[in-house]
Amino acid sequence: LAKTTQPISMDSYEGQEVNITCSHNNIATNDYITWYQQFPSQGPRFIIQGYKTKVTNEVASLFIPADRKSSTLSLPRVSLSDTAVYYCLVGDIWSGGYNKLIFGAGTRLAVHP
Amino acid sequence: SQTIHQWPATLVQPVGSPLSLECTVEGTSNPNLYWYRQAAGRGLQLLFYSVGIGQISSEVPQNLSASRPQDRQFILSSKKLLLSDSGFYLCAWSVTAAGGPALTGELFFGEGSRLTVL
Repeated sequence: LAKTTQPISMDSYEGQEVNITCSHNNIATNDYITWYQQFPSQGPRFIIQGYKTKVTNEVASLFIPADRKSSTLSLPRVSLSDTAVYYCLVGDIWSGGYNKLIFGAGTRLAVHP
Repeated sequence: SQTIHQWPATLVQPVGSPLSLECTVEGTSNPNLYWYRQAAGRGLQLLFYSVGIGQISSEVPQNLSASRPQDRQFILSSKKLLLSDSGFYLCAWSVTAAGGPALTGELFFGEGSRLTVL
């Protein structure tokens, strides 16, 4: 399974755009990149997933360069409620008919007033 | 719609006592099931996963065990708890490659069970 590296923590202010970058140098051909958000005392929640180029949904964008060795989660105009831990996961989601996505330590984002 | 429930939500147990955490999924069939543990301020550690009834794979050797007696039921157990077993336990499910509500390998998590071993 590909190992991921992301910053331990980040700080931002309300209304700013936040970009969290994740490195995954040994990503495999069949691996997808998935980001989750976790609030204290809750289970992680799926944010976005991609394979290459750019993916956008109602809450975030995911930028993946051509070599796929990194990815950047972009949160537009963050609010205090975006304060959470963000996890980057890489894995072959259909490997063997099941998936085992490994969660690292994540990035702790603190949004300030 | 699909739902996942865990119980109990909180648990305080003495060292050496047994443990049983239960997780059930509704609204889907033949899900992949997972147990994760999260220590305070840390990431999630995959403990067990299951691709079907009676099929359990362990990721980390320890004094915990898991069972899947029914398709949508996943149980985490211990005969004798250790202090190091304290943590936030999360059950999750995902669809199999054969199909289901999600088109990706998205994991759907329960509310979590906070275990304190004293």
